[in-house]
Order: sequence, then C-alpha cells, then structure tokens
Amino acid sequence: EIVLTQSPGTLSLSPGERATLSCRASQSVSSSYLAWYQQKPGQAPRFLIYGASSRATGIPDRFSGSGSGTDFTLTIGRLEPEDFAVYYCQQYGSSPVTFGQGTKVEIK
Amino acid sequence: EVQLLESGGGLVQPGGSLRLSCVASGITFSNYGMGWVRQAPGKGLEWVSVISATGGDADYAESVKGRFTISRDNSKNTLYLQMNSPRVEDTAVYYCAKRLKTDTGMTRAFDFWGQGTMVTVSS
Repeated sequence: EIVLTQSPGTLSLSPGERATLSCRASQSVSSSYLAWYQQKPGQAPRFLIYGASSRATGIPDRFSGSGSGTDFTLTIGRLEPEDFAVYYCQQYGSSPVTFGQGTKVEIK
Repeated sequence: EVQLLESGGGLVQPGGSLRLSCVASGITFSNYGMGWVRQAPGKGLEWVSVISATGGDADYAESVKGRFTISRDNSKNTLYLQMNSPRVEDTAVYYCAKRLKTDTGMTRAFDFWGQGTMVTVSS
C-alpha cells in the first residue's frame, strides 16, 4: 500500500498569499496518478487536480499541481477567502487507492 | 449537472446489516465506474470500494473485504453498498462518487461526489 504524507498539517496564511502544499508518497506513484481535493466543513470533497497537474473542469487557474514519482505539490497562487479549507491528495495508480491525511489551510 | 444522492444511512448494531443507495442523475450512469469513500468523524478520507461501469468488476479496501458488497443497477441509475457485519470502526459518513474517465480509460480518481450519508455502528 502506498502511504501518502502531507505537509504541513496546518498552513496559516492571509488572503492574497501563496500556499504551497506537499504530498510525499512512500513509493513511486504510477503514471503520476495523483489527485487533489478540497473539503470545507460539512461538505463533500471537491475535485481539483488529476494526473498530478491537470485542472478539473471549472477549477480556477490559481490552483496548480506539479510533481512526479514520490513528490507532489499543490500551489494556490493567491488565496481567496473561499480557498480556506482542508486539502487531500490521493494516489489512484495502485490498489488500494490511498489518501493523504490532509492539510488545513486556515486564515492567519 | 451531475447529482449523486445517497440514502440508507442510520444507526445499526454491530453484526447487523445496512444497505446504502446512491441515485445518479445528469450522467449516462452506465458509462461510468463508481465508488464509495468514507470519512470517520473528524478524520480523513478512506477509500472503501469501486465498481466498473457494467458491474462486472469490483474492488475493496482490506478493511471491508468480505463484509461489504458494492453493486449497481444501471436500469435504475443506482449504486449500492451492502454492509454486513458492520463494526464500530465502520462509523463514518459514506460518500458515493463518480470515477473520472480520461482518454486513457476509467480511473479511480473521483470527479463528482454526493453529499454523504452518515452510518453509526453502535449497540
């Protein structure tokens, strides 16, 4: 099973700042099959990024993904008030599918 | 607009059974694989199961294998999760989710999610 470790656990930033979230895999993620999701309290996850760097339909271009192998990054270019949430990475190249434990982006 | 509406959650005793349903609209249901993902209170996301578009292939997390069964009825645009012998640690919000389809085929990423249904396993 591929273990995904996200860091930091919590990121305290102000609106307008840049957010950089890390997701490290315990072994190489096949074909960069790495996705990112956003979740707000009481809501279902929202699909952001797939294939490590492809934005899902309707996702603003301030969200970008990068990385390959075992190291992946989600960058939010300039934080908007609605971006404060928990973010999860997921690898879907190997069974079982696994998720990281999440990074909370909170308002400083 | 894709909509996934789960139902069937509630309180169940350990060792009992429960069936969750998820009705899909806004998509040609029979063209897409589907899955279930759960989230224990205050915890992160945990993959539970996936099924192919036809229902012929399914896969399960080790934690539920042999106890839970995923199935679908394409004539009713409905996905199911039969939960047998649930344990206290199965307590969670269960999300139904549509699998992402790309040029290379059906993936196990999830591009649309339902609002979730809460399952509480307790005596």
